[in-house]
Amino acid sequence: AQSVTQLDSHVSVSEGTPVLLRCNYSSSYSPSLFWYVQHPNKGLQLLLKYTSAATLVKGINGFEAEFKKSETSFHLTKPSAHMSDAAEYFCVVSERPGNEKLTFGTGTRLTIIP
Amino acid sequence: AAGVIQSPRHLIKEKRETATLKCYPIPRHDTVYWYQQGPGQDPQFLISFYEKMQSDKGSIPDRFSAQQFSDYHSELNMSSLELGDSALYFCASRPGFRSVEQYFGPGTRLTVT
Repeated sequence: AQSVTQLDSHVSVSEGTPVLLRCNYSSSYSPSLFWYVQHPNKGLQLLLKYTSAATLVKGINGFEAEFKKSETSFHLTKPSAHMSDAAEYFCVVSERPGNEKLTFGTGTRLTIIP
Repeated sequence: AAGVIQSPRHLIKEKRETATLKCYPIPRHDTVYWYQQGPGQDPQFLISFYEKMQSDKGSIPDRFSAQQFSDYHSELNMSSLELGDSALYFCASRPGFRSVEQYFGPGTRLTVT
């Protein structure tokens, strides 16, 4: 069975400072990992994905994530937070080839302090 | 670029009524997924279809059914609605077996009163 654990339910950072959203995964197979973002009352937007290629993945809006198999982690980072980054972020895992239903973490709400 | 289309965007129903949600995947995407996101919750997988056949089933109540049609659009039918069915229902589509990412629609917000 696959699962993800988002270690922080809420993260607050000041505008212009780095962002770190933590995610650990559990998977019986080689997983595909994603980060999705959800702005208030909006749908889910794919930020980036890892699919067993390069372990450092770059996404949209300056976000990136590093897959670390030894630590079973897939943390999301951004060097400098912007007010528009305030949203809910979901770490997501997909496991079994051929179906790829997504299992979501419980989400991290990112607040940006002006 | 074309995105996943869901209709209606908002739906208000009373208990014990029936609702039908529609999803139109991105063109040439052959796989559709349905997810339910309760208030303050993470999305939960309900059901998926590949080439008009059900491919996987998650925590979907027996009161719900779904299908994918020949034009690849999908409908989620919900009967005997309960207050607890109030949620945001997302549809997502995938471009094919070589791709793993799913692209989500804007969701249908269902309120059961």
